[in-house]
Amino acid sequence: NAGVTQTPKFRILKIGQSMTLQCTQDMNHNYMYWYRQDPGMGLKLIYYSVGAGITDKGEVPNGYNVSRSTTEDFPLRLELAAPSQTSVYFCASTRAGTLSSNYGYTFGSGTRLTVV
Amino acid sequence: AQTVTQSQPEMSVQEAETVTLSCTYDTSESDYYLFWYKQPPSRQMILVIRQEAYKQQNATENRFSVNFQKAAKSFSLKISDSQLGDAAMYFCAYRSAFAGNQFYFGTGTSLTVIP
Repeated sequence: NAGVTQTPKFRILKIGQSMTLQCTQDMNHNYMYWYRQDPGMGLKLIYYSVGAGITDKGEVPNGYNVSRSTTEDFPLRLELAAPSQTSVYFCASTRAGTLSSNYGYTFGSGTRLTVV
Repeated sequence: AQTVTQSQPEMSVQEAETVTLSCTYDTSESDYYLFWYKQPPSRQMILVIRQEAYKQQNATENRFSVNFQKAAKSFSLKISDSQLGDAAMYFCAYRSAFAGNQFYFGTGTSLTVIP
């Protein structure tokens, strides 16, 4: 059982470049999330999705885009990378619904992105 | 929006001793869930313990237990018989029963275990 798989694990981008962070889960979870983790700042929600074809903004969506064409995949797109996007990015998934709310997230292993 | 506050950026404990990490949260909801996550240097986020708000009994998982005070909106984590492998960043998290079931995280507490 692979859980949540994120690729790549590390990446260095130049200012203005674009890239896609990949996230795939094999647990048939409806809900998927992208967070960024900055030093001393905890995790902040970028975007989330409650199912295929449905996405919504989180706390810090500017500079990012997402899509959810299948239940399994939830890629995060960075357009015109900026130094402020240097961070560690986590993808997570969980079961849907109130009765399942006591389930925690399953996290990917993270992507360390540096924009120079 | 809900907020989660961890007021201790860093804590240390002697090996085999007990340490308590603090967490408070702010919400107007009555139905929610609380979690503690551990993040070792590997960066992997690991679920340590969870608590349902409707349960009065404090959750326990082996050496880990919580002190859940719903009226005070407090959710502290107690680690007993601390081990070197407990050294990590610990995050308190709140999960709404609604609004996409998203989590809200505190800023974390870095725990050092002294041999």
